[in-house]
Amino acid sequence: GAGVSQTPSNKVTEKGKYVELRCDPISGHTALYWYRQSLGQGPEFLIYFQGTGAADDSGLPNDRFFAVRPEGSVSTLKIQRTERGDSAVYLCASSLTGTNTGELFFGEGSRLTVL
Amino acid sequence: AQSVTQLDSHVSVSEGTPVLLRCNYSSSYSPSLFWYVQHPNKGLQLLLKYTSAATLVKGINGFEAEFKKSETSFHLTKPSAHMSDAAEYFCVVSEGTGGFKTIFGAGTRLFVKA
Repeated sequence: GAGVSQTPSNKVTEKGKYVELRCDPISGHTALYWYRQSLGQGPEFLIYFQGTGAADDSGLPNDRFFAVRPEGSVSTLKIQRTERGDSAVYLCASSLTGTNTGELFFGEGSRLTVL
Repeated sequence: AQSVTQLDSHVSVSEGTPVLLRCNYSSSYSPSLFWYVQHPNKGLQLLLKYTSAATLVKGINGFEAEFKKSETSFHLTKPSAHMSDAAEYFCVVSEGTGGFKTIFGAGTRLFVKA
């Protein structure tokens, strides 16, 4: 597609449930980022992939959060045993080279609400 | 490790007057610096970026920013505000440490009064 695509755009779940959020980056972009944005805050770095491997996952808040990118394209962010504090907009971005000079292209985000 | 501080959470200007959004950064390496804009219910869009070339960087919609290493600052300016500039602005730092972790500031909300 022309841009970064994220699905679902909205997800409402109950506390304790498992959630998967999908990101389809711009074709050919080797780098993929996940961020979390809470109301009134800046995007918080979660994890960064270069190709299939997680180059930096230091932003994942705890072991309930996990992300994969098995074929170096689509990525899935997985959240186990969701908590109310996980409610936020989860943003995905991709970049052509993965260098720190590259522009990040963002999707519209997946809004997660945990009841 | 890198960090970024946006010094104002809110800035209010009148249409036609200058805009100044302040950003200070911290980085162990030579950083790349960016400004992104987020309009209500819209995705993040790149305004401009600094990547160790010219210290005065021009971006879209008349915005520019100056990299000042001695002050560790990267303030965003525009000579004349337009109503359509009302949005949230994020200062961003990225450093090449093997994993190109890219960190956002908390954001500055710009209000433009008619």
